[in-house]
Amino acid sequence: DAKTTQPTSMDCAEGRAANLPCNHSTISGNEYVYWYRQIHSQGPQYIIHGLKNNETNEMASLIITEDRKSSTLILPHATLRDTAVYYCIVRFYAGGTSYGKLTFGQGTILTVHP
Amino acid sequence: KAGVTQTPRYLIKTRGQQVTLSCSPISGHRSVSWYQQTPGQGLQFLFEYFSETQRNKGNFPGRFSGRQFSNSRSEMNVSTLELGDSALYLCASSKGQGASYGYTFGSGTRLTVV
Repeated sequence: DAKTTQPTSMDCAEGRAANLPCNHSTISGNEYVYWYRQIHSQGPQYIIHGLKNNETNEMASLIITEDRKSSTLILPHATLRDTAVYYCIVRFYAGGTSYGKLTFGQGTILTVHP
Repeated sequence: KAGVTQTPRYLIKTRGQQVTLSCSPISGHRSVSWYQQTPGQGLQFLFEYFSETQRNKGNFPGRFSGRQFSNSRSEMNVSTLELGDSALYLCASSKGQGASYGYTFGSGTRLTVV
């Protein structure tokens, strides 16, 4: 599975959009981008995933560049409860039983300030 | 609906003993994965099961093993416990295998080896 690079930490003001970048320059055609977050002392929470098109759900938006070498997770209106570690993960999937492990890196510590 | 249930929540064992942890996935979920989380190594993938078959395995010694039952419930076992096995063990379930499914994590079992 391709490696990802994320900033160690980021700050965001409450009510503003939080834009979390992720670099995955070695991503291959069969690798999906996933985002999870982990709030202190809880299990990770799935946020969103995508292959090449931009995706949006009730939690966030995922913007993937055209060359797929980087992506950005957008939390449109950050709240204090969004303070967490955010993990960008690239996972191989070729259909059926051919898929890779969900491998977590160090992630980005996002702190939302009042 | 009920989430992923892990039992017990906390466990204290002595070095050299063995331990079995249990995970009940969300109803209808057929894939179960296990992770170890420590402050130094972060979240590390142990193994993943789908329909009672191990689909993926992480880089852990043979002392770590798991299995999945026909009702999708899973157990992991660690034999000959070492102090370094102290960690939060997380279980995650998914509806199916492959890219289209996010994983839902449980709250984990906190294992302390003394």
